Amino acid sequence: KQEVTQIPAALSVPEGENLVLNCSFTDSAIYNLQWFRQDPGKGLTSLLLIQSSQREQTSGRLNASLDKSSGRSTLYIAASQPGDSATYLCAVGNQAGTALIFGKGTTLSVSS
Amino acid sequence: GAGVSQTPSNKVTEKGKYVELRCDPISGHTALYWYRQSLGQGPEFLIYFQGTGAADDSGLPNDRFFAVRPEGSVSTLKIQRTERGDSAVYLCASSLSPGTSTDTQYFGPGTRLTVL
Repeated sequence: KQEVTQIPAALSVPEGENLVLNCSFTDSAIYNLQWFRQDPGKGLTSLLLIQSSQREQTSGRLNASLDKSSGRSTLYIAASQPGDSATYLCAVGNQAGTALIFGKGTTLSVSS
Repeated sequence: GAGVSQTPSNKVTEKGKYVELRCDPISGHTALYWYRQSLGQGPEFLIYFQGTGAADDSGLPNDRFFAVRPEGSVSTLKIQRTERGDSAVYLCASSLSPGTSTDTQYFGPGTRLTVL
C-alpha cells in the first residue's frame, strides 16, 4: 500500500529565506506527483505537477524535483514571502492515474 | 470560469442521521472525485467517477457511504446512520483527462461535516 510522508510537519521562517519541503513515498510505481497548497478553510490549489518520466518542474519561485528510484520529491521555495504561509501537500497518483494519495502536509509560516 | 462548488459549506447533524453532500464540478470535466480530510491529516480518496459510473469506489470506508452522479455532472455523496467518526471535511475534485499523466485535479472548498 502506497504511503506518503512529509517532513517537516511544520516550519517557521523569516521573510526572504529559501526553503525546502520534503516528501517521500514507499512505492516507486507512481503515475505522477503533485504539490498542492491549502489555505485554512479552503480547498486545495495545484502548484506543480511532475509526470513520472520527468525530474523537475518550475513555476515562478517554486521548483519541484522528483527522484522515483529513491521515492523522494522536494519542493523548493525561493525568497519566501508572508503570503506563502499555508499548508503544502504532496500527492502521488496511483498506478491507474485515477486517485491521489496524499501526505499529511507541511504547515509553513513566513514572518515579516 | 467557475470552479468546483460544494454545498453546503457546513453541515451539523446528529449521530444516526442521514446526510447528503453535493458537488458541482467544472463544466466539461468528465472525471469527479470525492476525498475526506480529517483534522491534521491529508485528504483520503473515497471514490472516482468517470461519466455517470463509479470507476473506483475502493476508498469508501463501509456500506454506509454511497455516491451517485446520475447525469455525469453533479454528484451527491450520501452517508447513512452517521457516526461521530464521520466528522471531517469532504472534498470534491474534478478533472478533464483522467488516466493521463498531465491530468490535474481541481478541488472545491469542501463541506465540513460535524456529527454530534
